[in-house]
Amino acid sequence: AQKVTQAQTEISVVEKEDVTLDCVYETRDTTYYLFWYKQPPSGELVFLIRRNSFDEQNEISGRYSWNFQKSTSSFNFTITASQVVDSAVYFCALKPNAGNMLTFGGGTRLMVKP
Amino acid sequence: GAGVSQSPSNKVTEKGKDVELRCDPISGHTALYWYRQSLGQGLEFLIYFQGNSAPDKSGLPSDRFSAERTGGSVSTLTIQRTQQEDSAVYLCASSLELAGEGEQFFGPGTRLTVL
Repeated sequence: AQKVTQAQTEISVVEKEDVTLDCVYETRDTTYYLFWYKQPPSGELVFLIRRNSFDEQNEISGRYSWNFQKSTSSFNFTITASQVVDSAVYFCALKPNAGNMLTFGGGTRLMVKP
Repeated sequence: GAGVSQSPSNKVTEKGKDVELRCDPISGHTALYWYRQSLGQGLEFLIYFQGNSAPDKSGLPSDRFSAERTGGSVSTLTIQRTQQEDSAVYLCASSLELAGEGEQFFGPGTRLTVL
């Protein structure tokens, strides 16, 4: 069975602060994929990043960075110098290589205050 | 090109009525998924279609739920004899690949309210 846990249900920061959203997963598969999605108030899930289980290299995209650590089954997401527009619910998700569906974490609601 | 579209955006129905929710995937995407997002349950997988293969229905919560995909494109999710616990946002997604790296692109969802 697969499971994704996002322990932080809600985080509130002030603009320009850095913030890290935690994601811990469980799977018996050796090959799998991890994702982060953003769900702004409009409701549509926006794809942010995909990582496969063989690639532990951290990734940076602008103010976003991701830290994948297989040893601790974690795939954390950091936003540097947060902005009000970053306010949204962020979901971490897991997909097995041979499977079809995403298993989502419960989501973390991020509120960035001006 | 156009993203995943869903209709209606909002649906209010009375308990016991049937509803149909529609999804238009991204052109050329072979895989189509339905998820449900509700308070307390988070995002749950419902059903998955890939080409002409039999759909993966493992996530459907009851036999009141069914879905079809006509011509490998548009999909309809049908909920019969709706119950209040069916109230949720129903999300459709499509992807280019069956397995491996294909990320799923989501539509805006249909918010279903059962009175």
